Amino acid sequence: NAGVTQTPKFRVLKTGQSMTLLCAQDMNHEYMYWYRQDPGMGLRLIHYSVGEGTTAKGEVPDGYNVSRLKKQNFLLGLESAAPSQTSVYFCASSRAGVSSYEQYFGPGTRLTVT
Amino acid sequence: SQELEQSPQSLIVQEGKNLTINCTSSKTLYGLYWYKQKYGEGLIFLMMLQKGGEEKSHEKITAKLDEKKQQSSLHITASQPSHAGIYLCGADIWGNAGNMLTFGGGTRLMVKP
Repeated sequence: NAGVTQTPKFRVLKTGQSMTLLCAQDMNHEYMYWYRQDPGMGLRLIHYSVGEGTTAKGEVPDGYNVSRLKKQNFLLGLESAAPSQTSVYFCASSRAGVSSYEQYFGPGTRLTVT
Repeated sequence: SQELEQSPQSLIVQEGKNLTINCTSSKTLYGLYWYKQKYGEGLIFLMMLQKGGEEKSHEKITAKLDEKKQQSSLHITASQPSHAGIYLCGADIWGNAGNMLTFGGGTRLMVKP
């Protein structure tokens, strides 16, 4: 099993450009999450999904959109990138139910917006 | 996250020494989760604590949730270089509202051989 994979690993964008980050999991997990990690601020939840076709806002959703058209994939989009979105982005997945908080993380995508 | 405060922010210890990392919340924690992040990688789940006074151990790492469920400590005995990394506590502070976790700022641990 590959677990949780993220594409790309690194990306540099100019202000105003758009891009999509792809997250894929092969564990048949119901729940998927997108976080950003900034120095000294830990992980902050951007959006999450509790099933195919459903998405919900997390703590810091502004400037991002997501889609979960297939159970195994969770896409994070930046329509018009801003320097404040420079960060490391992590995708995670988990089972549904009482064990859903044990989340499995991808290796991260390092995004720089200039 | 301002809801969860971790201390210390960074720690350098000599191999073989014991250490403790704390995670404190002003709200009742419905669940407390410890993760470890190796530098440049994703997070790996360590332990989950849900009941007040609960204590769990895995190899040389012990985590405890206090009776009031507002503070957790992670203790490493006889530290090794393999323990180096960033330790993050995550918590459910909403009480089953969307399975969301909020995370502390992390503690960077370095173990000197």
